[in-house]
Amino acid sequence: GAGVSQSPSNKVTEKGKDVELRCDPISGHTALYWYRQSLGQGLEFLIYFQGNSAPDKSGLPSDRFSAERTGGSVSTLTIQRTQQEDSAVYLCASSLWGLQETQYFGPGTRLLVL
Amino acid sequence: AQRVTQPEKLLSVFKGAPVELKCNYSYSGSPELFWYVQYSRQRLQLLLRHISRESIKGFTADLNKGETSFHLKKPFAQEEDSAMYYCALSGENSGGSNYKLTFGKGTLLTVNP
Repeated sequence: GAGVSQSPSNKVTEKGKDVELRCDPISGHTALYWYRQSLGQGLEFLIYFQGNSAPDKSGLPSDRFSAERTGGSVSTLTIQRTQQEDSAVYLCASSLWGLQETQYFGPGTRLLVL
Repeated sequence: AQRVTQPEKLLSVFKGAPVELKCNYSYSGSPELFWYVQYSRQRLQLLLRHISRESIKGFTADLNKGETSFHLKKPFAQEEDSAMYYCALSGENSGGSNYKLTFGKGTLLTVNP
C-alpha cells in the first residue's frame, strides 16, 4: 500500500511569508506526528495528533507554528511570517494507534526561507 | 525528561569489519527503544526495535537497562550499510501516553570497500 506522502517536496519562500505543508498518512493510521530535521538540532518533535485532536503541541517552537488535521486523515502544518531559522526538513509520520509503536515516515518537505 | 545520546557523529569502517553504533538514553520509566536508518536520498525507516528482538539486515541491538544503552551491532559490515543511523526512544509524558519519539542526533556510518 501507499506510504506516508508529503507535499510539496521542496519549498522556497521569502522571509515573512506564510507557508503550508501537507501530510497524507497511511490509510487507517489514527496517530500522526510532525517532526523537524535541521542541521545541528537533529530530529525534533513538533506535534502529535490522535484522530483530529492534538493532545500534545509542546514541540511547536513558537506561536507562528500551527497544525490541523481534518477527517482523521490529512494534516497541514502552517508556518506564519517565516523566519530564516525555520529552514529545515519537515517530516511527517503516522502510526496505527500511537502507543510506543513503529512510526512510518514520509519523504519530508525541505523548506528554505530566504 | 527523556534524552538520547549518540556520541559519534561519524563512524568509518572497512567492509567485513565489525561495527557498533553507540546509543545511551536517559529515562526513568519503561522505554521502548528504536533504531531508524536513512539511506542516501531515501526516507527515514525503522531498522529494528527493542521489543521485537529481531535481527534485521544482520544488525542486532540489546537493551541494557543497567547501563541505559541500546547499542547497534553488526559483525560484518557491508558497503550498503552506509547510511545515517538514529537511535530513538518512546517513553511516557506526564499524562502517561507513549507516543512521540525522542531522537539522538544520529551517526553517519561509512563502510569503505
